[in-house]
Amino acid sequence: NAGVTQTPKFRVLKTGQSMTLLCAQDMNHEYMYWYRQDPGMGLRLIHYSVGEGTTAKGEVPDGYNVSRLKKQNFLLGLESAAPSQTSVYFCASSQTGTALLFFGSGTQLSVL
Amino acid sequence: GENVEQHPSTLSVQEGDSAVIKCTYSDSASNYFPWYKQELGKRPQLIIDIRSNVGEKKDQRIAVTLNKTAKHFSLHITETQPEDSAVYFCAASGGGSNYKLTFGKGTLLTVNP
Repeated sequence: NAGVTQTPKFRVLKTGQSMTLLCAQDMNHEYMYWYRQDPGMGLRLIHYSVGEGTTAKGEVPDGYNVSRLKKQNFLLGLESAAPSQTSVYFCASSQTGTALLFFGSGTQLSVL
Repeated sequence: GENVEQHPSTLSVQEGDSAVIKCTYSDSASNYFPWYKQELGKRPQLIIDIRSNVGEKKDQRIAVTLNKTAKHFSLHITETQPEDSAVYFCAASGGGSNYKLTFGKGTLLTVNP
C-alpha cells in the first residue's frame, strides 16, 4: 500500500517551459488536492478535485491547470513556468467529505 | 474565505519543557481543526485533530484545546524531546467546504538537548 505517490521528486525548469506533475493514490479516496509550500507561507491550496472528472480552484490557482481523468490520478500542469512558481508541491488525498489529508512526499521545483 | 493565524513562528525550548502553539481562525462555521508535523525534507503528517463539539483532546504527550467562542485553538506538547523538533502547522476547515483545509504559516519548534 503506497498511499500517495508523486513524480518527479525534483525538477529544474527554465522560464517558459512546461511540465506536468503526477499524483497517484491507491486508497480509493474521492478527494485530491495540490498544495504549494513556500518558506514562511505555510501550505496554500492550488486546485482540488472532489471526484473523477471534476476540478476546482483553490487559493492560488493562477498559472496552473489540473486534470482528474481517473479517480486515482490528479495531474498538475504548468504551461509556461515562471520563477515565482519555484516551490515545493504537495499532493494530498482524503476520503469523501473529510479534510483528513494524506500527503505525498513532495516535488521540489526550481524555475530558473 | 477562512483565514488562519499561527503564533509564534519560531519556538525554542529545553528538553523536558512544555511547548504551546496557538492559532486563531476567522470562519465561525469551521468545525475541524487538525495539526500537522513536518520534519525537515519530509511530508506533513497528522498528529492530532479536534472537532468543534469537543473542547480538548489528548494523545500521550500532545493535546489540543479549542475555544469556539474566541475562535482559537492550541497545541500543547509536554515533556518535549529532541525528536519533537519540526515545523508544526495548524489548519481549519468546515462550513460550506468541510473538505478543504486552510493552513497557518507554521511554527518551527526546536528542542534543545
